[in-house]
This record gives sequence, C-alpha cells and structure tokens, in this order.
Amino acid sequence: DTAVSQTPKYLVTQMGNDKSIKCEQNLGHDTMYWYKQDSKKFLKIMFSYNNKELIINETVPNRFSPKSPDKAHLNLHINSLELGDSAVYFCASMRSGATQYFGPGTRLLVL
Amino acid sequence: GIQVEQSPPDLILQEGANSTLRCNFSDSVNNLQWFHQNPWGQLINLFYIPSGTKQNGRLSATTVATERYSLLYISSSQTTDSGVYFCAVDYQGAQKLVFGQGTRLTINP
Repeated sequence: DTAVSQTPKYLVTQMGNDKSIKCEQNLGHDTMYWYKQDSKKFLKIMFSYNNKELIINETVPNRFSPKSPDKAHLNLHINSLELGDSAVYFCASMRSGATQYFGPGTRLLVL
Repeated sequence: GIQVEQSPPDLILQEGANSTLRCNFSDSVNNLQWFHQNPWGQLINLFYIPSGTKQNGRLSATTVATERYSLLYISSSQTTDSGVYFCAVDYQGAQKLVFGQGTRLTINP
C-alpha cells in the first residue's frame, strides 16, 4: 500500500546511455513532481504535472523529458546521460493546497 | 524567487538532549513542510504547517507566518532522530516546494 513508488531504486549506467525512471502514486492526487537531489543534498524541483499536463518546467536540459500517461503516473526519461546527471531523483505527489508526499528516490550513478 | 534559509547547518547532540531548528523564508507562503531525510535517504513528512503550532510525539513545530519563520523542536533526542531536516515552502500559489539547504542532526549515544 505504498503511497508513492519509484522504480528502479538504483541505476548505474554508462555515459551516453538513455534511461527511464518510473513513478506511480495511489493517493488519487492530481499533481505530480520530479525533484533532483545533488551530492550536497540540495533538493530542487525539475518538473510538475497536473492531470497529465505539464505546468512547471524549471531550467532543466532538454535531455530530460517527463511523460505522464495518466494522473497516477509520471515517468522521467533521460537521453545521453552525463556524469553530472548523477544524483538522487525523487518523485512526489500532492492534492492542491496540501502536503506533498515523496517517493523513496532513485539513485542514479553515471560512470 | 523566494529564499529559504535553515540554521544551524550542523548540530551534534547527545541522546536525550533537546534541539531547535530554524527556517527563515523571504516571502509569504501558502505551504510550509518539514521533512526528515533519514540515513537511508528517505524523505519523511513531519509537518504540514503554513501557520500555527502542531505536535506529534516528541516533535513539535511552530510557524509564525507574519514574521516569516518556522521552528522545529525535537525533545529527548534519540539516535534514530539523526539525519537531515529540511524545511520547504510553496509561495504565491507556485505549487512547487522550494527547499532550504537542510540541518544535519547527529545524535550520539
């Protein structure tokens, strides 16, 4: 009965590869997010979707492409991975004006 | 954009001690949340507290919205309280959380 789940939990890959991270929430929330946590633990928003529609797109390289097939899912595809993409990626969801709930994170290491 | 500053950056205490963590923000907020990131990296919701005071066991939080700060109190600390505590705010209906840089709390036995 996990509220926000992400797969995979760990991802180790070579530079230049393409990879995807999946997120699902079973809370019935309308809004979903991707956040990035860097090596210094700083957390920053990347994208937000509301009812499958992109509403926030921070200054993220266009190698990162989110996709929301339905309001319970928000996936993140990353093309041509670079060393600097190594980080922990968190998915979150929220009902408007309430608490945001975070997934367990996906630890991405690019070699 | 809004600035969120947390203090202190690091705090080392003995088990049983009490602590106060502070979060200052530079603009009016719609939402303020406190999180605990445990040593395994999980982000755990502690409080949703855009204003007022809430308590949950040994933890309590107070947000004084008019003065743009929030405090997180931890009483009778346990080693399992170790980790990084984040304050995050949503402002002007932006519907996104802006995080502070965190306070790293270490509780020694």
